[in-house]
Amino acid sequence: AIQLTQSPSSLSASVGDRVTITCRASQAIAGVLAWYQQKPGKAPELLIYDASTLQSGVPSRFSGSGSGTDFTLTISSLQPEDFATYYCHQFKSYPLTFGGGTKVEIK
Amino acid sequence: QLQLQELGPGLVKPPETLSLTCTVSGGSISNAAYYWGWIRQPPGKGLEWAGSIYYSGSTYYNPSLNSRLTISVDTSKNQLSLKLTSVTAADTAVYYCARKGRRGSGILPFDLWGQGTLVTVSS
Repeated sequence: AIQLTQSPSSLSASVGDRVTITCRASQAIAGVLAWYQQKPGKAPELLIYDASTLQSGVPSRFSGSGSGTDFTLTISSLQPEDFATYYCHQFKSYPLTFGGGTKVEIK
Repeated sequence: QLQLQELGPGLVKPPETLSLTCTVSGGSISNAAYYWGWIRQPPGKGLEWAGSIYYSGSTYYNPSLNSRLTISVDTSKNQLSLKLTSVTAADTAVYYCARKGRRGSGILPFDLWGQGTLVTVSS
């Protein structure tokens, strides 16, 4: 199975900060990676797929990059509603896998 | 607008069988453009893909659950089902059903999720 390692596991940031989360795959997955946002008590929501394609309706302050084994999710200017946990997800091959998550907290 | 709604027992005793259904409303589970899946999340932990199914019946299971898991589709009821046998406390989780698209010979990520249902395994 392809393992996804996210870093950091948590971070504290202020409104307006630029935030970067990384995801490393245990083997090359081209660009077949997605990012999700999950708020407490809610289902995950798809933010980005194919490493850099913004899902419809997602604010443009979210962006993704990377290919192969190293990927990045960037929030250009953190907003109050962005405090949540973020997961990367590879859909290149079965079994589908998720990263361990990055919790973004208010500083 | 398509919606997914999970239904489960809430509490299951070990080593019984956990049974969940997911009703698809606002669209057809037989839509050839989509696969359907189950993802679970233990309290306070991350996401784990359990398995996926195509309306035709083709299934894909997580090897960690393969021998205990069965996923099926009832097109007449527009429902997706999960059965997990011999449950233990480690199976306590919020279980989500979700939809993912097809793309050529490949797949897209899960883009629509149900609200989830908490299943607790305890005697």
